[in-house]
Amino acid sequence: GAVVSQHPSRVICKSGTSVKIECRSLDFQATTMFWYRQFPKQSLMLMATSNEGSKATYEQGVEKDKFLINHASLTLSTLTVTSAHPEDSSFYICSASGLLGLEETQYFGPGTRLLVL
Amino acid sequence: AQRVTQPEKLLSVFKGAPVELKCNYSYSGSPELFWYVQYSRQRLQLLLRHISRESIKGFTADLNKGETSFHLKKPFAQEEDSAMYYCALSVGMSRDDKIIFGKGTRLHILP
Repeated sequence: GAVVSQHPSRVICKSGTSVKIECRSLDFQATTMFWYRQFPKQSLMLMATSNEGSKATYEQGVEKDKFLINHASLTLSTLTVTSAHPEDSSFYICSASGLLGLEETQYFGPGTRLLVL
Repeated sequence: AQRVTQPEKLLSVFKGAPVELKCNYSYSGSPELFWYVQYSRQRLQLLLRHISRESIKGFTADLNKGETSFHLKKPFAQEEDSAMYYCALSVGMSRDDKIIFGKGTRLHILP
């Protein structure tokens, strides 16, 4: 069945470095991918929405230059946290939305834990 | 294995009738469970979480560890409840970080 994968599942980096997180849709083409962030004991917060081949739409308060999103193909979107700082430490989750049969369906990835030292 | 199962892909209910969206989970530890809702063309929103034990928009969900279930219920369905509902299991926020979503149930309220 349709699945969304994320890589890496966990990453630890030094402050000031950049980290790239990949989100892949398997077995279906994702016309839209969403990136979320989750803080401990809180709900998911939508960061941005990206459509294949176009620029991502960022939510208010999310820095575009800080969180670079690329959705170059129908099966891959990447989130790059640039010049990461400890406050960027969080759990990042992507979801992919596309047509499965005649229905618009959304699947979630398992998340990536980022720890910035 | 950690898993969230929402057995119904689509649930159609008449307005005013009770609603129950099923969610079963598989996890050996202490679960943290959520229900999220996505209305048409809108972003995903947190509906409720088992820890807070709140009732939001008339919906409640009780964690039943014996049956490993977290079914979402509402006594009287309203047309505005039509949406996609996702059950999610959070597996620790330290070592074993992972969030597992069910495949979702589309709730369709019939007039």
